[in-house]
Amino acid sequence: DIVMTQSPDSLAVSLGERATINCKSTQSVLYSSNNKNYLAWYQQRPGQPPKLLIYWASTRESGVPDRFSGSGSGTDFTLTISSLQAEDVAVYYCQQYYSTPYTFGQGTKLEIK
Amino acid sequence: QVQLQESGPGLVKPSGTLSLTCAVSGGSISSRKWWNWVRQPPGKGLEWIGEIYHSGSTNYNPSLKSRVTISVDKSKNQFSLKLSSVTAADTAVYYCASGGGQGYFEYWGQGTLVTVSS
Repeated sequence: DIVMTQSPDSLAVSLGERATINCKSTQSVLYSSNNKNYLAWYQQRPGQPPKLLIYWASTRESGVPDRFSGSGSGTDFTLTISSLQAEDVAVYYCQQYYSTPYTFGQGTKLEIK
Repeated sequence: QVQLQESGPGLVKPSGTLSLTCAVSGGSISSRKWWNWVRQPPGKGLEWIGEIYHSGSTNYNPSLKSRVTISVDKSKNQFSLKLSSVTAADTAVYYCASGGGQGYFEYWGQGTLVTVSS
């Protein structure tokens, strides 16, 4: 199985400031034949199901604010929130879909400082 | 817009079988998508259980494979999860989810809490 490890486990950022969450996989999730990284990011607010934010490591899902961006390739990825808003308080998960079993990171809890 | 809704018993006895159904609306289960189950123990992270295609092809998480069966009922536009020999460790919110077939999940149900307890 591909193990996904996120850092940090929790993060407190002031409103309007940048938040950065990292995700590392134990093997590359870059598929060489199409040059795509099989990596997604989700946001989960309390009591809600996860919401897809980013797929293919950097493609924003329709309707997701452009303050959310994804970057990285191979085994190292980053989710950046450029200017934190109150509604961004949530737990964020990365997920690899390069191979089954699909696996998620342990989650990063984002709070307001 | 695809919508998913889980249903099933909220309490299952230890050693019993957990059975859940996910009703699909806003689209056909025979569309080119894989239909998934994901679970989340209280206060913990997400675990992928398995997926099924409308043809009946399945992929399961090896950690659960011996106990899991996912099936599809095209006539009712729904798919189902059965997990046998449950223990307290299977207590979780169970989500059904789907996407474009690539392995990420655009659509999620609201989730249903299943507690394993006598």
